[in-house]
Amino acid sequence: GAVVSQHPSRVICKSGTSVKIECRSLDFQATTMFWYRQFPKQSLMLMATSNEGSKATYEQGVEKDKFLINHASLTLSTLTVTSAHPEDSSFYICSARGLGSQYFGPGTRLLVL
Amino acid sequence: GQQLNQSPQSMFIQEGEDVSMNCTSSSIFNTWLWYKQDPGEGPVLLIALYKAGELTSNGRLTAQFGITRKDSFLNISASIPSDVGIYFCAGLSAGNNRKLIWGLGTSLAVNP
Repeated sequence: GAVVSQHPSRVICKSGTSVKIECRSLDFQATTMFWYRQFPKQSLMLMATSNEGSKATYEQGVEKDKFLINHASLTLSTLTVTSAHPEDSSFYICSARGLGSQYFGPGTRLLVL
Repeated sequence: GQQLNQSPQSMFIQEGEDVSMNCTSSSIFNTWLWYKQDPGEGPVLLIALYKAGELTSNGRLTAQFGITRKDSFLNISASIPSDVGIYFCAGLSAGNNRKLIWGLGTSLAVNP
């Protein structure tokens, strides 16, 4: 089946620093990737849609200058949380659309101290 | 944002019992997807449904795409402890700006 990887799986950083999360589709090409965040006991909340070679489309209320998304190739998208604050602590999950469905990475747990 | 109506919100069953959960929507979807999420992990795709009325099985799991394209159910037969987790339905609409619309999830606990 389709595999999506994410790196790192968890990260702890100091407030004010930036954190980059990578998302890769390992065995298929994904023209569209998605970034979600999930708070405990809640469903996934879409942050942005990323198309290869073009600017990401952000959902309402998501700051594009804070959550930088780069979709450089058909198998790689990155999310950079800039100037992270404790309220940015969450579970970030990427997803790649391909093979007729949508597949998710294992998630990245971000803790900002 | 828009969300699907998923029920029940949680279930606590005995090992070996069958489980049924469903999702409904006021909107039509072209694709229904069922995912399972374990704690600290991303959702894993269980079953994808593409045609109205379609009934699809994956091992002990069976899901159906409602004929009106506004609902879907997921059944798990003969539950086992590893079925524990949160199950999400998701609908995918047609068009250029296609995004998954999610249910709120069904939390399943299985008593051995």
